[in-house]
Amino acid sequence: DADVTQTPRNRITKTGKRIMLECSQTKGHDRMYWYRQDPGLGLQLIYYSFDVKDINKGEISDGYSVSRQAQAKFSLSLESAIPNQTALYFCATSDSQGITGANVLTFGAGSRLTVL
Amino acid sequence: GESVGLHLPTLSVQEGDNSIINCAYSNSASDYFIWYKQESGKGPQFIIDIRSNMDKRQGQRVTVLLNKTVKHLSLQIAATQPGDSAVYFCAENISGYSTLTFGKGTMLLVSP
Repeated sequence: DADVTQTPRNRITKTGKRIMLECSQTKGHDRMYWYRQDPGLGLQLIYYSFDVKDINKGEISDGYSVSRQAQAKFSLSLESAIPNQTALYFCATSDSQGITGANVLTFGAGSRLTVL
Repeated sequence: GESVGLHLPTLSVQEGDNSIINCAYSNSASDYFIWYKQESGKGPQFIIDIRSNMDKRQGQRVTVLLNKTVKHLSLQIAATQPGDSAVYFCAENISGYSTLTFGKGTMLLVSP
């Protein structure tokens, strides 16, 4: 089983619908992240959580919300989806314990969302 | 596979050649730099990192070079193989306690 699991892997929805993307991890990491990837734009940070009680906005949080239900679960919601939210979404985790080096992320396989 | 490579700079090499992928970073306060590889249909995977107090670090078939004077980072892949075909991202990190900032990526295409 994957260390970081995202569901669904693919979703097509209509404008105005509420969508939730779920992420769970078995790595025991305390930090979790949601990124958006568009062709040619790299990875943009939507929200991140450094522990269960900590939620922070990233660079493109408008139109999105998150919930950290447990250390292992971090979900991303689009309350009213719009076509320009069509993108590939990645969940990632990292471990703050004993960090003496870089904040290395472990990514899930991605969730492709299409909003019509 | 996922079309993450659209509009990306592309490097095309022959199998067995050495590849050099470049990255310019923006924040002179960044303390760590990381390279990720993203294959079609998959999430990015960690390759190697380097701290700002180093100018070179070697891994298995990969070497990362850091030039802080011009804020430039490069990833060298020796004896490139078809399995190295992917999009490569650099990322910078001020410390282990901050989030990463990713570059836009470079697509590496390896021909047999």
